[in-house]
Amino acid sequence: SAVISQKPSRDICQRGTSLTIQCQVDSQVTMMFWYRQQPGQSLTLIATANQGSEATYESGFVIDKFPISRPNLTFSTLTVSNMSPEDSSIYLCSVARGDTGELFFGEGSRLTVL
Amino acid sequence: KNQVEQSPQSLIILEGKNCTLQCNYTVSPFSNLRWYKQDTGRGPVSLTIMTFSENTKSNGRYTATLDADTKQSSLHITASQLSDSASYICVVTRIFSGNTPLVFGKGTRLSVIA
Repeated sequence: SAVISQKPSRDICQRGTSLTIQCQVDSQVTMMFWYRQQPGQSLTLIATANQGSEATYESGFVIDKFPISRPNLTFSTLTVSNMSPEDSSIYLCSVARGDTGELFFGEGSRLTVL
Repeated sequence: KNQVEQSPQSLIILEGKNCTLQCNYTVSPFSNLRWYKQDTGRGPVSLTIMTFSENTKSNGRYTATLDADTKQSSLHITASQLSDSASYICVVTRIFSGNTPLVFGKGTRLSVIA
């Protein structure tokens, strides 16, 4: 298993501001994943955070809006920039472990943008 | 198009009763299928994982089935408990081809009432 700590667990933010979400893993991992879970929707992969290189973004997500840092093998941050109410969502950090690549998730960060 | 469809969208059952959640997928090439449980305000936690050759797998009161021919899976919960109230998410993994390998369903929201 994996222990993944995310913070903040929740926040309420004003339109136009930015929020940085932190993710700490209990052991070194090569790739960390950031997901978004909008109300009533399935999890959507935002990007894969690679240590030592730029994050790889999925279609529909760009670095200017969701800059990601990966300073070492146990830590990553996701910033939601210039927020709008449409960014209100749960943001989840995830890592893959084991032979089957099972995904382990953090507790999530619930963001509400007013 | 790679999709995972879950039904029902939501379900309410009495404590002690059994229930079955459905997952139909059109994902290919298929690698494995997982069921996750997501408690409110928490990150998803893996319940079972099934590969192409497996028909059924149990985890306590949870039993998952897989029919790779019809591309259907079910999650059966026996003798439900109040703590089973959660969203149950079906996730299908594609054999990695350079594109996003994981396809998530929207989940079934289960409420167990006394």
